Amino acid sequence: AAGVIQSPRHLIKEKRETATLKCYPIPRHDTVYWYQQGPGQDPQFLISFYEKMQSDKGSIPDRFSAQQFSDYHSELNMSSLELGDSALYFCASSSRIITGGNYGYTFGSGTRLTVV
Amino acid sequence: AQSVTQLDSQVPVFEEAPVELRCNYSSSVSVYLFWYVQYPNQGLQLLLKYLSGSTLVESINGFEAEFNKRQTSFHLRKPSVHISDTAEYFCAVRYDRGSTLGRLYFGRGTQLTVWP
Repeated sequence: AAGVIQSPRHLIKEKRETATLKCYPIPRHDTVYWYQQGPGQDPQFLISFYEKMQSDKGSIPDRFSAQQFSDYHSELNMSSLELGDSALYFCASSSRIITGGNYGYTFGSGTRLTVV
Repeated sequence: AQSVTQLDSQVPVFEEAPVELRCNYSSSVSVYLFWYVQYPNQGLQLLLKYLSGSTLVESINGFEAEFNKRQTSFHLRKPSVHISDTAEYFCAVRYDRGSTLGRLYFGRGTQLTVWP
């Protein structure tokens, strides 16, 4: 079965650079969520999109932005990177229709961002 | 405040021993509860979930969890662990009402280490 695809798997950037992470949800899933997991930390919610509109916003820095495109894939753009942005970034997708509103979550394998 | 507490950061056990990973949540509204497993350098995999109905839920690999509304707990148990169960386990909750609908709140995780 198709899963949530994230790219790239690994990314190394220097401080003050910009990074773009991509997420391709499971086909027919209409909602995408982004989470950040720092070293030894629990995943923290960043932002979510439903039908290409932002549906919820968590502890996402102003330097970060995200959007969901017409094909439902999503991109997380991070600018002016800081050492503290080094983390594993997860994307998850779900469908309000398929799961009848109970939001079955499926996570991707994550993108490991290292800022040096 | 809404939060998830995993009472044990590390649980070492010997192979074939029983194990319980504890999870408590705080909420004044209905919740959906999840357990995720994360193997080293991998993504989050859904282990089991409670959405409604029977309070005892089971996974395909022998884990089970029981939703206890009165004690606001969702402890994870396995009667006999294997070395391959060594991983980080995250308890997560999603609230059924309010603007944070869809977002998952994670506990800090419990590292289960199974020794031969």
